Amino acid sequence: AQSVAQPEDQVNVAEGNPLTVKCTYSVSGNPYLFWYVQYPNRGLQFLLKYITGDNLVKGSYGFEAEFNKSQTSFHLKKPSALVSDSALYFCAVRDTHDYKLSFGAGTTVTVRA
Amino acid sequence: GAGVSQSPRYKVAKRGQDVALRCDPISGHVSLFWYQQALGQGPEFLTYFQNEAQLDKSGLPSDRFFAERPEGSVSTLKIQRTQQEDSAVYLCASKPGGDYGYTFGSGTRLTVV
Repeated sequence: AQSVAQPEDQVNVAEGNPLTVKCTYSVSGNPYLFWYVQYPNRGLQFLLKYITGDNLVKGSYGFEAEFNKSQTSFHLKKPSALVSDSALYFCAVRDTHDYKLSFGAGTTVTVRA
Repeated sequence: GAGVSQSPRYKVAKRGQDVALRCDPISGHVSLFWYQQALGQGPEFLTYFQNEAQLDKSGLPSDRFFAERPEGSVSTLKIQRTQQEDSAVYLCASKPGGDYGYTFGSGTRLTVV
């Protein structure tokens, strides 16, 4: 079985401040990890993924995430948030032996000017 | 096409009506997935196709839900005798064989009244 937890329903930050969105996962094997962003009335847009290799993954729009195996975490980070980063963010996991993604419940990010 | 295309974008159905939702995946993508996203929730897996074969339909919530992909490209998700609890956004995703990148469509928002 595989699952994802996003412990924060909402994250609020001021523009220019660092942004962190937390994600922890559970899989029986090795994980493939993903972050997606969803704007209102839009589908899911891919931000970044961890498959193997370097634990620090860089993605689109200045986002990055760090894979931490011991803490089973894959937190999303951005050093300096923009108002346009305000959206709904989803973490997803896939076991290496599975094919379907399991998603967290999502975290709403609000960046105030 | 360049992305995953879903139609219609919005569908309002009267309770008891049958609906059909279409997904046009990226050309050549072997794998196709359907997800259901209820309001305020993360996407939940419904079903998975590899080419024309439906390999997993474990997420379909009832026998009123039926999906097909007869020629291994376009897929249709059909819901018979719609109920209010079927109201959700239905997302389609595709990916090439052997790759990790899932591309999502913009979804169909179904409202059952």
